[in-house]
Amino acid sequence: QAGLTQPPSVSKGLRQTATLTCTGNSNNVGNQGAAWLQQHQGHPPKLLSYRNNNRPSGISERLSASRSGNTASLTITGLQPEDEADYYCSSWDSSLSVVVFGGGTKLTVL
Amino acid sequence: EAHLVESGGGLVQPGRSLRLSCAASGFAFDDYAMHWVRQAPGKGLEWVSGISWNSGSIGYADSVKGRFTISRDNAKNSLYLQMNSLRPEDTALYYCAKDSGYETTADLDYWGQGTLVAVSS
Repeated sequence: QAGLTQPPSVSKGLRQTATLTCTGNSNNVGNQGAAWLQQHQGHPPKLLSYRNNNRPSGISERLSASRSGNTASLTITGLQPEDEADYYCSSWDSSLSVVVFGGGTKLTVL
Repeated sequence: EAHLVESGGGLVQPGRSLRLSCAASGFAFDDYAMHWVRQAPGKGLEWVSGISWNSGSIGYADSVKGRFTISRDNAKNSLYLQMNSLRPEDTALYYCAKDSGYETTADLDYWGQGTLVAVSS
């Protein structure tokens, strides 16, 4: 069960914009979309975006998700120190009937 | 708001068994699918298993298929993971997570704090 592909790390400056990517295939991201989760060190993951790109209640409007083909993206504008965290994407694989995760991207805010 | 509390973790020898529990509150447990997700120390998230609202649909990761069994008791608002033939590579923090739908998807909208399982002789 191969996972989704995310870059291991991204670094951006304070108040800049970061775009994180997540690549899968036509059985998962391509037709099921991707959800996005944020995890701070020592804490459980927190859902930032559903697979349909909608944000749960309480999630900042600085975050937006999108998809093009088999690649999903999470864009965070106006980066703040609290955005420094690990970010994971997840999708449902309709061929394997399993949840697949990306390896995670560590976002550093300089 | 949904609240999930895992229990049952601990130190266990290879080949032995362990049963994890997840107590749910704050939402209609029997309306939603549930999952177990694990995270090895310093590693990323790995989906372990998921179960639909009525236990009619169940799935496992290849790494645990045949060794782990997921179940739920809607009358007790509880989710379980029976782990047999444990291996050192099963060492991880095990999270219970709520799905946003009644069938298993990848929209895991609430997570517990996790329970630690360590497999070592």
